[in-house]
Amino acid sequence: DGGITQSPKYLFRKEGQNVTLSCEQNLNHDAMYWYRQDPGQGLRLIYYSQIVNDFQKGDIAEGYSVSREKKESFPLTVTSAQKNPTAFYLCASMGRMNTEAFFGQGTRLTVV
Amino acid sequence: AQSVTQLDSQVPVFEEAPVELRCNYSSSVSVYLFWYVQYPNQGLQLLLKYLSGSTLVESINGFEAEFNKSQTSFHLRKPSVHISDTAEYFCAVSPPTYNQGGKLIFGQGTELSVKP
Repeated sequence: DGGITQSPKYLFRKEGQNVTLSCEQNLNHDAMYWYRQDPGQGLRLIYYSQIVNDFQKGDIAEGYSVSREKKESFPLTVTSAQKNPTAFYLCASMGRMNTEAFFGQGTRLTVV
Repeated sequence: AQSVTQLDSQVPVFEEAPVELRCNYSSSVSVYLFWYVQYPNQGLQLLLKYLSGSTLVESINGFEAEFNKSQTSFHLRKPSVHISDTAEYFCAVSPPTYNQGGKLIFGQGTELSVKP
């Protein structure tokens, strides 16, 4: 089945550590996105990529980094510079027609 | 730049009652409009979308939304809700052209709580 897969579903991080969230899609979509979700704030765009080896900052990119070495993969690294990383992270992909975004099941990151 | 405002953060309603979730958007260019639904601890699922044509769009589970260009609104309605409709609903817009960034811009979400 075609879809978008995020892993892990739950992730715990100690303060000061970097962690990487995985996002893989087999929909042959060009564009991929990372959103952060906090209660009452909706989804805020962290980074997005419309083509391999290129990506753009979203509204809240500080403390995060991404790479897009393959069309299918768009991993997100939450660095120690991110002051409040505890949140639900959602990855999405979309084709060139912009007619529908597909979402992964999310990763819940907790700093302990 | 585009923005989306969902006017109600929480909507409690009794089962079998009608419901309306309100969404207004701001954009200097034409946009595509979407409603997504999210169940607890899950990703978002597309509920319905407006791309062009008829301003009234429907989903397979009884929801409908109407695009009103003059009021820049895309309100979601259902004539009779079920317990299973309890979820968070997000309104979103995106530019119709991929080269304009293709980003989905979301509202803050509306929690629909259906009570027996």
